[in-house]
Amino acid sequence: DIQMTQSPSTLSASVGDRVTITCRASQSISSWLAWYQQKPGKAPKLLIYKASSLESGVPSRFSGSGSGTEFTLTISSLQPDDFATYYCQQYNSWFTFGPGTKVDIK
Amino acid sequence: EVQLVESGGGLVQPGRSLRLSCAASGFTFDDYAMHWVRQAPGKGLEWVSGISWNSGSIGYADSVKGRFTISRDNAKNSLYLQMNSLRAEDTALYYCAKVGVGATVDYWGQGTLVTVSS
Repeated sequence: DIQMTQSPSTLSASVGDRVTITCRASQSISSWLAWYQQKPGKAPKLLIYKASSLESGVPSRFSGSGSGTEFTLTISSLQPDDFATYYCQQYNSWFTFGPGTKVDIK
Repeated sequence: EVQLVESGGGLVQPGRSLRLSCAASGFTFDDYAMHWVRQAPGKGLEWVSGISWNSGSIGYADSVKGRFTISRDNAKNSLYLQMNSLRAEDTALYYCAKVGVGATVDYWGQGTLVTVSS
């Protein structure tokens, strides 16, 4: 089974900050990686698929990069609506989610 | 508009069974793979099971293999999860999820809560 890790687990940041979250897979998953945003009491929302493709309707301040086993999600300028928990997910072999990164207000 | 509406959750005793349903609308159901993903209270997302468009490919997480069975009825635009031998650790909000053109989940339902407790 493919295991996913994320760092950091919690990130404190201010509006306007550049934020980077790292995700690692236990084996190569090529570019079969997605990023989701989840707010309390809500279903997750797809942000990025195939490591770097922006889902329709998602603001361009979100970007993804990486391939193989190491990936990053970057928010270029954090906005008030971006405080949430972010999950990476591999879909090279069924699905595995990372443990999540909570982005909160500094 | 894509809609996924889960039902069938509730309080159940350990060892008992429950069947979840997901009613899909707003898209051509039999064109897409579907999945169940769960989230225990205050915890992260956990993939449970997935099924291809024609039921030809089915997968399960190790934590539910042998106890849960996924199925779909394309004529009824419905996805199901039969859960047997339920355990306390199966307590979670269960989401129905649709796979999109990006080959991963692009739409989620609002979830149905399963609580396993005596």
